[in-house]
Order: sequence, then structure tokens, then C-alpha cells
Amino acid sequence: NAGVTQTPKFQVLKTGQSMTLQCAQDMNHEYMSWYRQDPGMGLRLIHYSVGAGITDQGEVPNGYNVSRSTTEDFPLRLLSAAPSQTSVYFCASRRGSTGELFFGEGSRLTVL
Amino acid sequence: GDSVTQMEGPVTLSEEAFLTINCTYTATGYPSLFWYVQYPGEGLQLLLKATKADDKGSNKGFEATYRKETTSFHLEKGSVQVSDSAVYFCAPLITQGGSEKLVFGKGTKLTVNP
Repeated sequence: NAGVTQTPKFQVLKTGQSMTLQCAQDMNHEYMSWYRQDPGMGLRLIHYSVGAGITDQGEVPNGYNVSRSTTEDFPLRLLSAAPSQTSVYFCASRRGSTGELFFGEGSRLTVL
Repeated sequence: GDSVTQMEGPVTLSEEAFLTINCTYTATGYPSLFWYVQYPGEGLQLLLKATKADDKGSNKGFEATYRKETTSFHLEKGSVQVSDSAVYFCAPLITQGGSEKLVFGKGTKLTVNP
């Protein structure tokens, strides 16, 4: 079972570059979300989606864009990377409102 | 606003020691409560949950009881193992802006030595 798949696992960017973190799930989950994890900060919600065509902002949305054209995919775009976006990013999905999130393995991003 | 506070780490224990990681939350109403665990190099995974007052969630020898009087959901294990070394996150499920979101604590790193 693939579950939630994130790519790439590691990425190094220069300030100002753009990139997209990919997230795909094969569980037909309606809800998908992106978190960032920073030391001493826990996980903070960036953006989320409750279904195809619907996205909304989380706690720390600035500098990130998302779209949800299919149920399976939820890419996270950094339009102009900044050192403050150096972090580990996790994509997570769930069915309905049960609360049990299924997480990907994470993408470690370094912005120089 | 809604928030969660959990015991700061790191916590270092010897094998077979008793573990408690405290978690308290502030929220409107009575949210479902979760503990997630993150093993080194991996994403988070659900450890246990409780959906109403006085419920006890349990898994892999870990337990937590939903205490609405003290708005707490402390994680306990009677005898830890080296394989329990991980980061533990408390997370209430809150309703905000018409949708339900998990709000994570900052995490408590546990190291168990043989």
C-alpha cells in the first residue's frame, strides 16, 4: 500500500528560486493538508483542502500556494524561496472528519 | 484561541521505566484527542485517540484518558522499551472555519536507554 507519497525527499534551493513539492495519496481521501515541522515549533498547518477544487489557508500560508485539481494530488508551490522556508514538510490526508491523519515521509527543504 | 501544551523534553529513561508525558489543551467544547508518534526519519503516525470524556485510548502498551475536568490527555506507559524512542505529539481536533483541524503540540522527544 502506497498511502501518502511525497517527492522529493530532499531539496536544496537558492533564495528566490521556485519549486513544487508533490503529494499524492491512493486512499481516496477527501481531506489533504500540508504541514511544516521546525525544531521547537511542532507541526504548523500551511494549507489544506477538503476536496477537489477547494483549498484554504492554515496557520502559516504566506509564501506558499496550493491547488487541488484531483482527489489524489495536492502539490505545494514555493514561488520565491526564502531561508525562513527551510524546514521539513509533511503532507497528510484523511477520510472525512475522523481526525486520523495519514502522513507522508516528509520532504526536507534547505533554502540557502 | 484553541491551543495545546505538552511537556517539554527531551525525556531520557532507562528501559522498563514508567513514562508520563503531560498534555493539556484549551478548546471550545469537547474535541476528539489524539497522540501521534514520529519515529526517527519517518512521518507521524497515529498512536491512540479518545473521542469523548472519560474515554481511554490505548495502543502498544500506551494509554491516555480524556479528562474534561482538567482538559488533559496525559500519555502513560508502564514499562518503556528502547523501541519506544521517538517524538510524541498531542493533538486535539478542533473545528475552525467550518472544518476540523488537528492542532499539534510542540512534541516531546523520548529516548530510552538499554
